[in-house]
Amino acid sequence: GAGVSQSPSNKVTEKGKDVELRCDPISGHTALYWYRQSLGQGLEFLIYFQGNSAPDKSGLPSDRFSAERTGGSVSTLTIQRTQQEDSAVYLCASSLGPAGTYEQYFGPGTRLTVT
Amino acid sequence: GENVEQHPSTLSVQEGDSAVIKCTYSDSASNYFPWYKQELGKRPQLIIDIRSNVGEKKDQRIAVTLNKTAKHFSLHITETQPEDSAVYFCAATRGSQGNLIFGKGTKLSVKP
Repeated sequence: GAGVSQSPSNKVTEKGKDVELRCDPISGHTALYWYRQSLGQGLEFLIYFQGNSAPDKSGLPSDRFSAERTGGSVSTLTIQRTQQEDSAVYLCASSLGPAGTYEQYFGPGTRLTVT
Repeated sequence: GENVEQHPSTLSVQEGDSAVIKCTYSDSASNYFPWYKQELGKRPQLIIDIRSNVGEKKDQRIAVTLNKTAKHFSLHITETQPEDSAVYFCAATRGSQGNLIFGKGTKLSVKP
């Protein structure tokens, strides 16, 4: 079946502009995660949605970052007033259930470049 | 806060040799420890995982061991092949059901 998809695959934006990154999880997956991967670095947790529970936003680096998950499916990560240090690959993942129980499947990522 | 440390950051081995990557975690409530492989330009993919009620798990050439008392776990790859070259990430749950906290990765190079 279809895996996790993300769009756009690449995004170049000017400093100060807002950007929206989209994630389509695997159908039926109740959990969705956003991570950030800077060049040569590990996976930095940003936010975690699980079913109808309040999202775990503890990884968001500043109030410029926000995310929504509509209808328990598609998610959008929004970065306002982008800065050069926001340049990274943003990865989305989904799993059938809670993080500690089910495998996470990753999308291909969105490469964000802030000029 | 919760932390996962991974060593070494780079590892170079000859084809056919074994490779070992080690991780330590800080949250004693962590109960799920997956390992992901990320090839250049591709998404991370799960290669093996272990839960806290198990001490060792094997899948062909790869194995993972877990020592809950010491809070460390390791990935073992035997008979390495050039296609094993990639970045490997360990992870641990925050608590028993929370998000995964990832290590910073190990770049493994297998020389033919």
